[in-house]
Amino acid sequence: DIVMTQSPDSLAVSLGERATINCKSSQSVFYSFNNKNYLAWYQQKPGQPPKLLIYWASTRESGVPDRFSGSGSGTDFTLTISSLQAEDVAVYYCQQYYTTPFFGQGTKLEIK
Amino acid sequence: EVQLVESGGGVIRPGGSVRLSCAASGFTFDDYDMTWVRQAPGKGLEWVSTINRNGGSKYYADSVKGRFTISRDRARKSLFLQMNSLRAEDTAFYYCARVIRVAAPGSFPSGWFDPRGQGTLVTVSS
Repeated sequence: DIVMTQSPDSLAVSLGERATINCKSSQSVFYSFNNKNYLAWYQQKPGQPPKLLIYWASTRESGVPDRFSGSGSGTDFTLTISSLQAEDVAVYYCQQYYTTPFFGQGTKLEIK
Repeated sequence: EVQLVESGGGVIRPGGSVRLSCAASGFTFDDYDMTWVRQAPGKGLEWVSTINRNGGSKYYADSVKGRFTISRDRARKSLFLQMNSLRAEDTAFYYCARVIRVAAPGSFPSGWFDPRGQGTLVTVSS
């Protein structure tokens, strides 16, 4: 299995400030055949099911605000929220789909 | 609008069985692989099982292999998860999701998940 590890486990950021969440895979999830990183990000707000935010490491799902961005390649990835809004309070998960799917343990994002 | 509605959860005794259902609407069910993901209360997400578009290929997490069976019904546009020999550690919310298939580096059908349902809670307790 390709194991995903996120950091930090929790994060408190002031409204309007930048939030950064890291995700590291135990092996590369880059596929040279199509030059794609097989990495997705999900958001789960309190009491709600998870929601797809980003796929291919950096492509936003339709309807996702552009303050959310994904970056990285190979084994190291980052989810950035450029200007934190109150509605962004959630747990964020990365997931590799290069092989048998595996999620990171989640990062809880709160308002400072 | 894409909708997935899970049902069938409840309180089940250890060693018991339950069958979860996921009713799909708003998209062409036959065009998508489908998957189950679970989440123990207060814990993270765990992939459980995936079935391909025609139901001919099925994949399971090691934690459920031999106990759970995934299936789908084309006419009813529904996904199922038969859960047998249930254990306390199977207690979780179970979500179904579409799989957005992409080129696979290996033998597993690669793709990200598009979960749209509220999930159904299975509690295994005596």
